[in-house]
Amino acid sequence: DGGITQSPKYLFRKEGQNVTLSCEQNLNHDAMYWYRQDPGQGLRLIYYSQIVNDFQKGDIAEGYSVSREKKESFPLTVTSAQKNPTAFYLCATSYDFPGRNEQFFGPGTRLTVL
Amino acid sequence: AQKITQTQPGMFVQEKEAVTLDCTYDTSDPSYGLFWYKQPSSGEMIFLIYQGSYDQQNATEGRYSLNFQKARKSANLVISASQLGDSAMYFCAMRVTNTGNQFYFGTGTSLTVIP
Repeated sequence: DGGITQSPKYLFRKEGQNVTLSCEQNLNHDAMYWYRQDPGQGLRLIYYSQIVNDFQKGDIAEGYSVSREKKESFPLTVTSAQKNPTAFYLCATSYDFPGRNEQFFGPGTRLTVL
Repeated sequence: AQKITQTQPGMFVQEKEAVTLDCTYDTSDPSYGLFWYKQPSSGEMIFLIYQGSYDQQNATEGRYSLNFQKARKSANLVISASQLGDSAMYFCAMRVTNTGNQFYFGTGTSLTVIP
């Protein structure tokens, strides 16, 4: 099946720990994105990547890091520098050219800091 | 700067009635796309409908239609014959060609369908 997988679905972290959220896609999309969503809020862009080995900061990149070593994978690390990491994290992909190229979303990871 | 504004935090509609969810956008780029997504309580994001800035006709997808008024920079979503399963958050988004194809999202509208 084609799609986007995110793991784990739920993640609990102690303060001061780094955690890595996985995002894998087999849609052959060039662009991949990470969003953060807080309760009752919209999506805020953390990082995005349009090509392997390249990525750009979004609006709220502080305290997060990413890598794009393979086209299929775009893991997000939430570092201890992120002050309030409890949120719902969504990974998305799209073709990287204009037109009717909507973003496809993964099922999300709910991160809770204990 | 690119911006999407959704001014209705919450909306209620009677089952089988139509409802309009508002969305205004701001960009100086002539080439852009507008998208609507639905997010049920499960958290998944479901693509509903797309409108390109050069499209002459309003987009329609089943019970969803997009009322595109380019001069007013609005892209309102119309849901006809509302169903209980339409209760969800709805997000308007914009993709601007000359900003690296980054997507910009509004803050969303929570729709509740009343039986």
